[in-house]
Amino acid sequence: QAQLVESGGGVVQPGKSLRLSCAASEISFSNYAMHWVRQAPGKGLEWVSVISYDGNIKIYADSVKGRFTISRDNSKNTLYLQMNSLRPEDTALYFCARDYSGGGCDYWGQGTLVTVSS
Amino acid sequence: QSALTQPASVSGSPGQSITISCTGTNSDVGGYDYVSWYQQHPGKAPKLIIYDVSNRPSGVSNRFSGSKSGNTASLTISGLQAEDEADYYCTSYTSSFSYVFGTGTKATVL
Repeated sequence: QAQLVESGGGVVQPGKSLRLSCAASEISFSNYAMHWVRQAPGKGLEWVSVISYDGNIKIYADSVKGRFTISRDNSKNTLYLQMNSLRPEDTALYFCARDYSGGGCDYWGQGTLVTVSS
Repeated sequence: QSALTQPASVSGSPGQSITISCTGTNSDVGGYDYVSWYQQHPGKAPKLIIYDVSNRPSGVSNRFSGSKSGNTASLTISGLQAEDEADYYCTSYTSSFSYVFGTGTKATVL
């Protein structure tokens, strides 16, 4: 079944770190840019980061720049998001998504919940 | 990067058409033909319904159409059906090489 599956979410204290993973199965992964998008409880979608198909270009939202790092391992069909210095406002459901064209993402995972709380 | 502006809610009766606007600036919506639209039902992941302003992915109903004029993009849903009741989000590429989502619109079928 073609899908993206996120993992790695959980409850973490402010200032701590967490690493999210997104595994692709039965879809083309290495030829496409990939995004992380988050959604705080009861709120709208917020774009977080994008990485080019080869990993050479990485762009971040201002809200996470300097704290989050996006990466990918095409040999494992897996996308990552390293999140450091976490803040309560980072609490959200984190989705990974495949960029089909110009930011239009055709495959999405089910999301992994990150809760930042003391 | 400020979120693109969408109406908080729109509504229509079954069979009618509704249009959702998405207003940005010439640094995002107005500057690039990279506007996409997503449909999101409660508890579900977003679903791509329009990409590159007006293109529909395979399998998406032709009742959904997209357009753009200046700094405003629009999504029109024709022949409104009960299943169209959902949240809708636009997104655009920006001059900062990043992306920005709209504020989201709740569509209600009366």
